[in-house]
Amino acid sequence: GAVVSQHPSRVICKSGTSVKIECRSLDFQATTMFWYRQFPKQSLMLMATSNEGSKATYEQGVEKDKFLINHASLTLSTLTVTSAHPEDSSFYICSASGGGHNEQFFGPGTRLTVL
Amino acid sequence: AQSVTQPDIHITVSEGASLELRCNYSYGATPYLFWYVQSPGQGLQLLLKYFSGDTLVQGIKGFEAEFKRSQSSFNLRKPSVHWSDAAEYFCAVERTSYDKVIFGPGTSLSVIP
Repeated sequence: GAVVSQHPSRVICKSGTSVKIECRSLDFQATTMFWYRQFPKQSLMLMATSNEGSKATYEQGVEKDKFLINHASLTLSTLTVTSAHPEDSSFYICSASGGGHNEQFFGPGTRLTVL
Repeated sequence: AQSVTQPDIHITVSEGASLELRCNYSYGATPYLFWYVQSPGQGLQLLLKYFSGDTLVQGIKGFEAEFKRSQSSFNLRKPSVHWSDAAEYFCAVERTSYDKVIFGPGTSLSVIP
């Protein structure tokens, strides 16, 4: 299957700072990328869907001004958590689809801890 | 709206015993169906998927799943569980290609030696 990477895998930051997480499709062009959030012992919840070159579509209850998503190219999407607070601490996972594949491919996730 | 239910929050089985994890979905048409496994602190690993065709799907690590349209179910099975199978299992559905994936709440599997 295709490969999706995320960077960083783990980040610790102070409350009030912003954190950027990158999601890359390494061997295919991802027309659509998705961002999920997973709190401890819970399932994955979709935050937003982004298509290359257009604005992201956010799920109900997700603050678009807090979670900035940029999908500037067919291989890269970024999620920026602005003014992070401890309640934003979570596991963030991206996925990518496109390139003729029927399924989405998930990245390994990024563990965010806000102190 | 699409939804996925996994009735069993937690299951404990003995090593070597058989396993069945239940999954039901709610959607007007047949979606794409997936089972993923997640070890603590790790990302997702795809076990198997169903798009169309044969309703019995073989996956990795000896897992299989059967799609039953009449029951809107996609249950995961393994004939003999290994201690390394202890993990969180997620059933998921996707309406069409390039659409969002909806995850079930997950079933936590513990394996007794």
